[in-house]
Amino acid sequence: QLVVTQSPSASASLGASVRLTCTLSSGHTYYSIAWHQQQPEKGPRFVMKINSDGSHVKGGGIPDRFSGSSSGAERYLTISSLQSEDEADYYCQTWGTDSVVFGGGAKLTVL
Amino acid sequence: QVQLVESGGGVVQPGGSLRLSCATSGFTFNTFGMHWVRQAPGKGLEWVALMWNDGKTTYYADSVKGRFTISRDNSQNTLFLRMNNLRAEDTAVYYCARERDYQAYYFDYWGQGTLVTVSS
Repeated sequence: QLVVTQSPSASASLGASVRLTCTLSSGHTYYSIAWHQQQPEKGPRFVMKINSDGSHVKGGGIPDRFSGSSSGAERYLTISSLQSEDEADYYCQTWGTDSVVFGGGAKLTVL
Repeated sequence: QVQLVESGGGVVQPGGSLRLSCATSGFTFNTFGMHWVRQAPGKGLEWVALMWNDGKTTYYADSVKGRFTISRDNSQNTLFLRMNNLRAEDTAVYYCARERDYQAYYFDYWGQGTLVTVSS
């Protein structure tokens, strides 16, 4: 079964870096995923798509502070030079031929 | 610029029906697959349904299969979601979202959402 798993929370200090992880289920480790940011009381916003080779495509207006990478079944979203506006929920998602699955989301707190 | 604007949400009794609309602009609607995604209060995102750009191929989450119908009017650049036999657990903000790449089901634009509340 296609599943993506995220740790429910992360925190880091203003100006620091943080790495969020999205883990693909066994048998699906070569799948691409996408990250979406949801700030409080807002709709989601596409951040980037990450492929199994680590290549990625960003959404429009996403700062260079956001980068993506991959290792095995894990897909990473790294945010450097954290700003207060980066505090949000981050969702990873992947897809099969006839469905879409989301991770449970990770709440990022900027200290 | 690309815009997706949902409407049609509201309060409905259990067992009732509702039709949501997603009016789009700023892109060639009939060349993109479109999706509905929902978010229950205080919960995460849940995919609901998708329709290919041809208006023929559809897929649904198991939780809504047989009760919800996705459709589109390519002449009006609008996506729809017909929801029948609504349950309390269907209470959520419903978002429409555009597929970025052909039959690669990830989303590059989202609407602002419309709230559906199922309650007696």
